Amino acid sequence: DARVTQTPRHKVTEMGQEVTMRCQPILGHNTVFWYRQTMMQGLELLAYFRNRAPLDDSGMPKDRFSAEMPDATLATLKIQPSEPRDSAVYFCASGLDSFDQPQHFGDGTRLSIL
Amino acid sequence: AQSVSQHNHHVILSEAASLELGCNYSYGGTVNLFWYVQYPGQHLQLLLKYFSGDPLVKGIKGFEAEFIKSKFSFNLRKPSVQWSDTAEYFCAVRGFGNEKLTFGTGTRLTIIP
Repeated sequence: DARVTQTPRHKVTEMGQEVTMRCQPILGHNTVFWYRQTMMQGLELLAYFRNRAPLDDSGMPKDRFSAEMPDATLATLKIQPSEPRDSAVYFCASGLDSFDQPQHFGDGTRLSIL
Repeated sequence: AQSVSQHNHHVILSEAASLELGCNYSYGGTVNLFWYVQYPGQHLQLLLKYFSGDPLVKGIKGFEAEFIKSKFSFNLRKPSVQWSDTAEYFCAVRGFGNEKLTFGTGTRLTIIP
C-alpha cells in the first residue's frame, strides 16, 4: 500500500534550536497538508500546497514556521527558533485535488521542545 | 466558513454495546464528510466517507454513518463494539470546491472488556 512517509518519527531538542520535519507524499498526489495536533487545540491545519505551490499558510506562525516543497516528492516544515509551546505531533497528509478523494495521513512527527 | 462539532468528548462503553458518535457540521453548500480513526500512537486512518448518493455509508471494521442533510449531521454508528475499537474518532467536513478539511475536536472512545 502506498503511504505518506514522515521523518523523523520523534524529535527532542532544546528551545531555540532549528527543527526540520520532512514528508514524502504518496506518488502522484498533488496536494500536501501540514497539521499540528495537541491536546488543547486538537488538529489544526498549518499549511497546504497544490502542485508544490503554497496555497494557504494562514494557520502557521509566520515568524518562526516555514513550509516548502522543493520537489514533488518532498515537503518540509521548519521551525526556527523552536519554543516549548511548539511541542506537538505534526502530521503530513497528501491527496489529489479532486473533490471525491480523501486525504491520506502519515505517521506523524512527535516533537518535544525542552 | 465550514466547521464541525463533536459533542461527545469521551465515551466509555462495554464490549458488545452499540455505539453512536455525534457529528454536526456547518456549511452553506455541498459537502464531503469523513470519519477518521486514530488508534493510540498512530496516524489518522480513514474509516468512511460520504460524497454523494446513498446517505447511509458503510466503512471499514463494521462502522457506518448516516448523512442527514436537514440536520447537518453525520453520526457514526456501530452495532456492537469491540475492545480493539478503543481510539479517538474525528469527524471532518470539506465544502465543495474547498481542498481544506476541517476537523472536529475528536471523541475518545474507551471500550471496557
